[in-house]
Amino acid sequence: NAGVTQTPKFRVLKTGQSMTLLCAQDMNHEYMYWYRQDPGMGLRLIHYSVGEGTTAKGEVPDGYNVSRLKKQNFLLGLESAAPSQTSVYFCASSGQGYSPLHFGNGTRLTVT
Amino acid sequence: DAKTTQPTSMDCAEGRAANLPCNHSTISGNEYVYWYRQIHSQGPQYIIHGLKNNETNEMASLIITEDRKSSTLILPHATLRDTAVYYCIVPNTGNQFYFGTGTSLTVIP
Repeated sequence: NAGVTQTPKFRVLKTGQSMTLLCAQDMNHEYMYWYRQDPGMGLRLIHYSVGEGTTAKGEVPDGYNVSRLKKQNFLLGLESAAPSQTSVYFCASSGQGYSPLHFGNGTRLTVT
Repeated sequence: DAKTTQPTSMDCAEGRAANLPCNHSTISGNEYVYWYRQIHSQGPQYIIHGLKNNETNEMASLIITEDRKSSTLILPHATLRDTAVYYCIVPNTGNQFYFGTGTSLTVIP
C-alpha cells in the first residue's frame, strides 16, 4: 500500500516547455487535489477532482490543466512553463465524507 | 480562501505541552475542523479532526469551544521533532481544503 505517489520527484524546465506531473493513489479515494507551495508560503490549491472524469478550479488555476481519466490518477499539466511556476507541487487524496487528506512527497519544479 | 486564523509563530519548551490556537468564527454547524502539520519541506501530515466534541489520538488532543468558533490543538509533551508548521483548516463546500499560512511551532531544548 504505497498511498499517494508523485512522479517525478524533481524536474528542471526551460521557459515555454511543457510537462505533466503524475499523481497516483492506491486507496480508492474519490477526491484528489493538486497544490503548489512557494518558499515560506502555505499551500495553495490549484485544481481538484471530486471523482473520475471530473475536475474543478481551486485558488490558483491559471497556467495549469488537469485530467482525471482514471480514478487512481490525477495529472497536472503545464502547457508553457513560466519562471513563476517554480515551486514544490503536492498531490493529495481523500475518501468520501469527512476523511482527511493524504499527501504525496512532492515534486520540486524549477523553471529557468 | 482559508476560513481560519492562527498566530504566525509560537515557541514551546521541550517536554511541555504545546497549545496551538485557531479561530474559525464563521464555521457552520456541520463543518469539521482539521489539523495538519508540515515538517520542513515534506508533504503535510494529518494530525486530527473534530466536529464539536473534544478528540484525542496518539498524536494530539483537539479542544473545540462550545460555540465552535475556536479550537486548540494540544501536543501534550512536545519534542524537538514536533517543530513544524501547523495548519488549522475548515474545508469549503465540496471538500475543498484551503491552507492558510499556519503557525510555525519551534520546540526549544
